[in-house]
Amino acid sequence: DQQVKQNSPSLSVQEGRISILNCDYTNSMFDYFLWYKKYPAEGPTFLISISSIKDKNEDGRFTVFLNKSAKHLSLHIVPSQPGDSAVYFCAAVTPNTGNQFYFGTGTSLTVIP
Amino acid sequence: IAGITQAPTSQILAAGRRMTLRCTQDMRHNAMYWYRQDLGLGLRLIHYSNTAGTTGKGEVPDGYSVSRANTDDFPLTLASAVPSQTSVYFCASSPGPGVKLFFGSGTQLSVL
Repeated sequence: DQQVKQNSPSLSVQEGRISILNCDYTNSMFDYFLWYKKYPAEGPTFLISISSIKDKNEDGRFTVFLNKSAKHLSLHIVPSQPGDSAVYFCAAVTPNTGNQFYFGTGTSLTVIP
Repeated sequence: IAGITQAPTSQILAAGRRMTLRCTQDMRHNAMYWYRQDLGLGLRLIHYSNTAGTTGKGEVPDGYSVSRANTDDFPLTLASAVPSQTSVYFCASSPGPGVKLFFGSGTQLSVL
C-alpha cells in the first residue's frame, strides 16, 4: 500500500523553463514532507522540506508547495538547469508511524540544454 | 569527511548464502535506517533504529535482520539470500526520528 505516490515516472523540460514535479499522499497524519535528489550511483541527497503548518517553502531556485486538503505537494524548479537532471523522490513522515519516512517511487527529470 | 560509509559498494552473491552489508556513520546521529531501491517501487524501508540498542521493522523486513550495538554501526544481514533481494541498498541516518535523512552511497547487491 503506497502511502506516497509520484504518478509521473519521467519528465523532460527545456533548460531555462520551469520543472514541476508532483507528489500525492494518502495519510492525513503526515506532518513533514521532504524532497530528495538522486544522481546515478549516488545516494539521495536532501533538497528541500516543508512542515504541514506551511503551504510554501522556497530555497533559491527550488520551491515546494503543500496543499493539505488535496493531500498534494509539488516541487518547482525555476529556471531548470542541465545539472538538475536526476531522479527526485518525495517523502513524508509522521510521529504516528514511529517517525518512519515513506518515499514515493521517484520522477526522473531530464533538463534538455 | 563526515558522513555515512557503506560496504561493499557492490556484491554478487549466490542464492542461499549469508551476507552482511555494513554501514557506519560518524555524525553521532541517533537514528539509522536501511532502505532498498527497486525500479518502479522507489525507496522502501527495511529496518530502522531510533537509538543504539533498539531496532524496528519497516515496510519490507522479511529475510533481513539488523543490530545496533553502538551509535555508529548498523549492519544489515541477509541470512539466506534469495534472487528477489537483488536491489540497491541504502543506509541512512538522522539526528533523531522524523528529522531529515542523510544517505550513504549505496550497495548494489545481485543474488543469483
